[in-house]
Amino acid sequence: QVQLVESGGGVVQPGGSLRLSCAASGFTFSSYGMHWVRQAPGKGLEWVAFIRYDGSNKYYADSVKGRFTISRDNSKNTLYLQMNSLRAEDTAVYYCAKDRKAAAGKLQLYAFDIWGQGTMVTVSS
Amino acid sequence: DIQMTQSPSSLSASVGDRVTITCQASQDISNYLNWYQQKPGKAPKLLIYDASNLETGVPSRFSGSGSGTDFTFTISSLQPEDIATYYCQQYDNSYTFGQGTKLEIK
Repeated sequence: QVQLVESGGGVVQPGGSLRLSCAASGFTFSSYGMHWVRQAPGKGLEWVAFIRYDGSNKYYADSVKGRFTISRDNSKNTLYLQMNSLRAEDTAVYYCAKDRKAAAGKLQLYAFDIWGQGTMVTVSS
Repeated sequence: DIQMTQSPSSLSASVGDRVTITCQASQDISNYLNWYQQKPGKAPKLLIYDASNLETGVPSRFSGSGSGTDFTFTISSLQPEDIATYYCQQYDNSYTFGQGTKLEIK
């Protein structure tokens, strides 16, 4: 079945770094745009980053631009989020999510139809 | 940036009730609006895409309508398993979620 499984979360000190991974299965990973979305404890959802199916374009929320890097390895069916210069306000559950439609031609935005179970990132001294 | 305003922020209703949640965009987003359900401790689940299209496998008691700046999400007959927080999301320009509506059983 279609599945996304995140890993790599943990506790890190302010200013530190962490890399999250999202392993995909059950669909043609290389055909779909992918996202990271986060949710701070007791708060709502915040979109973090998007990468096109082939990695050619990447987009970020202003809150993480310049500190986070999204990437993918289509040969390994895996999505990544490199998080540097972490702050207390980055504390959240991080979800990876898949575009509802496969990419075709020019960039188009879609709903997120499959989500992982999430991985917790805590930034604290 | 496009802001999404959901109301109410919380709602208490009885089993069998018709429940309505609204979402207003700060500018015209056409029909680029989705609705998600999130149960406690779980990942969000897509229910409605493109404002009014029911995702495969989602019960028909869920529906969505609207275009432009004003959107509505409806549960025609509330079931106990519908207890969750519901989020709207615009994707006309980047992505923005509403602040969520927590639905409880009365």
